[in-house]
Amino acid sequence: GEDVEQSLFLSVREGDSSVINCTYTDSSSTYLYWYKQEPGAGLQLLTYIFSNMDMKQDQRLTVLLNKKDKHLSLRIADTQTGDSAIYFCAEDTGKLIFGQGTTLQVKP
Amino acid sequence: ETGVTQTPRHLVMGMTNKKSLKCEQHLGHNAMYWYKQSAKKPLELMFVYNFKEQTENNSVPSRFSPECPNSSHLFLHLHTLQPEDSALYLCASSQAGLAAYNEQFFGPGTRLTVL
Repeated sequence: GEDVEQSLFLSVREGDSSVINCTYTDSSSTYLYWYKQEPGAGLQLLTYIFSNMDMKQDQRLTVLLNKKDKHLSLRIADTQTGDSAIYFCAEDTGKLIFGQGTTLQVKP
Repeated sequence: ETGVTQTPRHLVMGMTNKKSLKCEQHLGHNAMYWYKQSAKKPLELMFVYNFKEQTENNSVPSRFSPECPNSSHLFLHLHTLQPEDSALYLCASSQAGLAAYNEQFFGPGTRLTVL
């Protein structure tokens, strides 16, 4: 079946790197996405990776994809207090299947 | 601003009330979605519309009734809801519908409380 799993909570200090992990089940996923949700707002696309790529870098964000293990990660370099939010990974199987979200807390 | 607006932002209703949620997108997209977001649960896809036609109903109870009069507007009509229906209801739109690259643009949501 379709299932996306994430840890629920991550706490880091400002300036450190954050790594948010995600596992998915459908190997036919074409794209995998990372969305960010700030308090009181909807989800906003942060970045995505096509399934034939291993890595994608976009400024402070690095996405790593391990297709064999069906593991996706999002690394945020130099984490800032403004990065505090809920981060959702999603696999695209023809429709988006979201994980339950990881709450990132950034301590000053 | 994502180009997707939702009204109202907050709604409190009794179990016998009838109310409607509204979503409007200004992006020229042809697909629209309703999601339910409950605390500590994955985002649940409820309905999908492509070119005004419903293409997905994810086993949603009939007390939720969607309506898509055109590609820019989506409604969710609510009646005789239960307290467990309290959640954040998110609307989204995309260009491609359920195919290929599927970046969805989300509205800010309606926080629904059922008493």
